[in-house]
Amino acid sequence: DARVTQTPRHKVTEMGQEVTMRCQPILGHNTVFWYRQTMMQGLELLAYFRNRAPLDDSGMPKDRFSAEMPDATLATLKIQPSEPRDSAVYFCASGLRGSVNTGELFFGEGSRLTVL
Amino acid sequence: TQLLEQSPQFLSIQEGENLTVYCNSSSVFSSLQWYRQEPGEGPVLLVTVVTGGEVKKLKRLTFQFGDARKDSSLHITAAQTGDTGLYLCAPRMDRKLIWGLGTSLAVNP
Repeated sequence: DARVTQTPRHKVTEMGQEVTMRCQPILGHNTVFWYRQTMMQGLELLAYFRNRAPLDDSGMPKDRFSAEMPDATLATLKIQPSEPRDSAVYFCASGLRGSVNTGELFFGEGSRLTVL
Repeated sequence: TQLLEQSPQFLSIQEGENLTVYCNSSSVFSSLQWYRQEPGEGPVLLVTVVTGGEVKKLKRLTFQFGDARKDSSLHITAAQTGDTGLYLCAPRMDRKLIWGLGTSLAVNP
């Protein structure tokens, strides 16, 4: 049963600490997305990779956030230093870049981050 | 100005009732997806609509894409407790998915 795997599921940390979230996309998928979800803003796109190349990170605060895909089976999202306003659920999603109009995204279960 | 509006924001109904939730915008979209998200999980795709006026049915769920491809509705017949969740509208514009805030549905036994 193919699925997107995210770790950790939950993370509580103190302001100023580094946080790294990891994602294993579905094998064979060539697009990977990082989203942040909050009650007020909903799902916000942070970064988008296709064939491991970053295509869009315009939604990501560049001073503290970074996203990478060191290989096809691993995507990482790092926050350094973390701040309380970063508290949210972070989702990774993967997909196949087939039709531009009908591509389905497969989401992981999310990483719930709390920054104190 | 919000690009996409979903209504109602919250809905609490009894099992067996019918309901309709809406996704509205002033922009034209190339396609539109509906996802359902359960607590503690990621969103899961329910349907993709592409053609203006298109209607798709998924068991008790009926999805409609507006003729002008600016809006969509989701109708649930005889709601069940398993329908509880956050329903997210995600139209595609300029090759990007735009996400609404969703309608949080609670179906009570």
